[in-house]
Order: sequence, then structure tokens, then C-alpha cells
Amino acid sequence: KQEVTQIPAALSVPEGENLVLNCSFTDSAIYNLQWFRQDPGKGLTSLLLIQSSQREQTSGRLNASLDKSSGRSTLYIAASQPGDSATYLCAVSRLTGGGNKLTFGTGTQLKVEL
Amino acid sequence: DTGVSQDPRHKITKRGQNVTFRCDPISEHNRLYWYRQTLGQGPEFLTYFQNEAQLEKSRLLSDRFSAERPKGSFSTLEIQRTEQGDSAMYLCASSLVVNSKNIQYFGAGTRLSVL
Repeated sequence: KQEVTQIPAALSVPEGENLVLNCSFTDSAIYNLQWFRQDPGKGLTSLLLIQSSQREQTSGRLNASLDKSSGRSTLYIAASQPGDSATYLCAVSRLTGGGNKLTFGTGTQLKVEL
Repeated sequence: DTGVSQDPRHKITKRGQNVTFRCDPISEHNRLYWYRQTLGQGPEFLTYFQNEAQLEKSRLLSDRFSAERPKGSFSTLEIQRTEQGDSAMYLCASSLVVNSKNIQYFGAGTRLSVL
């Protein structure tokens, strides 16, 4: 059974700092890995998707990497801003079957302070 | 708005009552997923449709839960005889696989409180 772990569970940083969020998964037979952002009481916003054949994806100040063999992904946020405060969720989808259903970690709660 | 739409946003009910939630996916997305999220946890998969066919159900989906997608467009999730343990956020997502990419887009969710 796939298990996804995210470290740290919570993080507080001053504005402008670069930061790294970590995600690990136990089964390397994944189809893709997706990073989401969730604001309190809201749904999920997709940030980046990395296909299993890719090593990284970039969007603006965000960069996500994938090392499938070691079961790890990182989300790098450059020059953090207070508006980045949210919970960040990592999710992996299975290689076969299940319509690529997602298995989520418990998230990293990020607070960027002025 | 062309995103995933869920209705209602909030539902408060008494234990033992039946509730039904609706999800309208992004137009032309053939895949639709239901997830459940409790406080402090990541979402957990409940069930998945491809067009109108329900292709997989999680063991989390007890016989009190039923989901339908009658015409391959909107979907409903019904919970019968609700229990306090059913209190959670119910999230719907839709997707269309393009170039081997399956990006799931989520709605804002329906928050259920069972008293």
C-alpha cells in the first residue's frame, strides 16, 4: 500500500526566504506526482505535476523535483511571500489501475511572516 | 466559471438523516473522482468514474454511501443514515488525460457536519 509522508508538518519563515518542502513515498511505481496548495476551508489548487519520466517542473517561483528511485520529491519556493501561506499537499498516482487515483500526504502547513 | 463546481458548500444534518452532494466537473473531462478529507489529514480516495461507469470504490465507501454519474456529466454522492464519523470535507475532482498527463482539478468541496 502506497504511503506518502511530508516533512515538516509545519513551517514558519520570514518573508523573502527560500524554502524546501519534502515529500516521500514508499512505492516507486507511480504514474505521476502532483503538488497542491490548500487554503483554510477551501479546495485544492494544482501547482505542479511531474510525470514519472520527468525529473522536475517549474512554474514561476515554484520548482518541483522528483527522484522516483529513492521515492522523494521536493517543492522549492523562491522568495516566499505572505500570500504563499497555505497547506501544501503532495500526492502520487498509481502506475496501473484505479484511474490514477491520488494518494496524499498529510501536508506541510506554511506560514510566511512579514 | 469553468472549474469544478460542488453544491452545497456546507451541510449540517442530524445523525440518521440522508444527505446528497452534487459535483459538476469541468466540461469534457471524462474522469471524475470523490475524496474525503478530515481535519489535519490529506484527502482520501473514495471512488472514481470514467464517463458514466464507476470503475473503483475504496473500502472507505461503506454500503451507506452511493455515488452515481448517470449521463457521464455531473455526479452525486449520497450518504444514508449519517453518522458523526461521516463529518468531513467531501471533495470532487475531474480530469482528462492528455499526452499521458492526468491533472486532477478539484472543486471547493462540501463540508458535512453531522450533529
